[in-house]
Amino acid sequence: QVQLVESGGGVVQPGRSLRLSCAASGFTFSSYGMHWVRQAPGQGLEWVAVISDDETNKHYADSVKGRFTISRDNSKNTLYLQMNSLRAEDTAVYSCAKGPNSGSFYQAFDSWGQGTMVTVSS
Amino acid sequence: DIVMTQSPDSLAVSLGERATINCKSSQSVLYRSNNKNYLAWYQQKPGQSPKLLIYWASTRESGVPDRFSGSGSGTDFTLTISSLQAEDVAVYYCHQYYYTPFTFGRGTKVDIK
Repeated sequence: QVQLVESGGGVVQPGRSLRLSCAASGFTFSSYGMHWVRQAPGQGLEWVAVISDDETNKHYADSVKGRFTISRDNSKNTLYLQMNSLRAEDTAVYSCAKGPNSGSFYQAFDSWGQGTMVTVSS
Repeated sequence: DIVMTQSPDSLAVSLGERATINCKSSQSVLYRSNNKNYLAWYQQKPGQSPKLLIYWASTRESGVPDRFSGSGSGTDFTLTISSLQAEDVAVYYCHQYYYTPFTFGRGTKVDIK
């Protein structure tokens, strides 16, 4: 079955960087667009970024554009989120997610990881 | 960006009664070429990841009880729980996946009255 396992979270000072990973299994990772979604403590869901199956298309939320970079290594079945210039408002649980069908990433998310907590604090 | 406005923020319904959640998008999410509304509904229980309930505005995900239904088109959508069960206590989110940046509603908390 589909498994998405995030890692790399932790406590980091404002202005510093962190890289998150999402290890995927149970499906042909290289055929699926992949997303990052975050949820601040006690708050709602916020979509962060998407990358196409072949890495040619990437899109970001306005709140992270220019600071975060989504990437993937299809040989390692792993999705990444490089987060630079972190701010207190980036504090959240970060989860990776995918849609049910290969190809287009314009789909609902039927698979989610459990998430990794990122805390930005001095 | 498309803004998703959910209402109400919270509601309490008696067991066995109907719960209705509304979601309005600031732009149409209907793609006329395939006549599909790029709108989904999720259920999130405390400490858990969101669970997909409805996609394409009205298609129930496999395994989701048929008391959950979605309706609407264009900019106005509704999630209905026809007969609320104790296990339905959760926060529900609508989500548009038509335009990037994809966006979610702020969530509706459903409780038992």
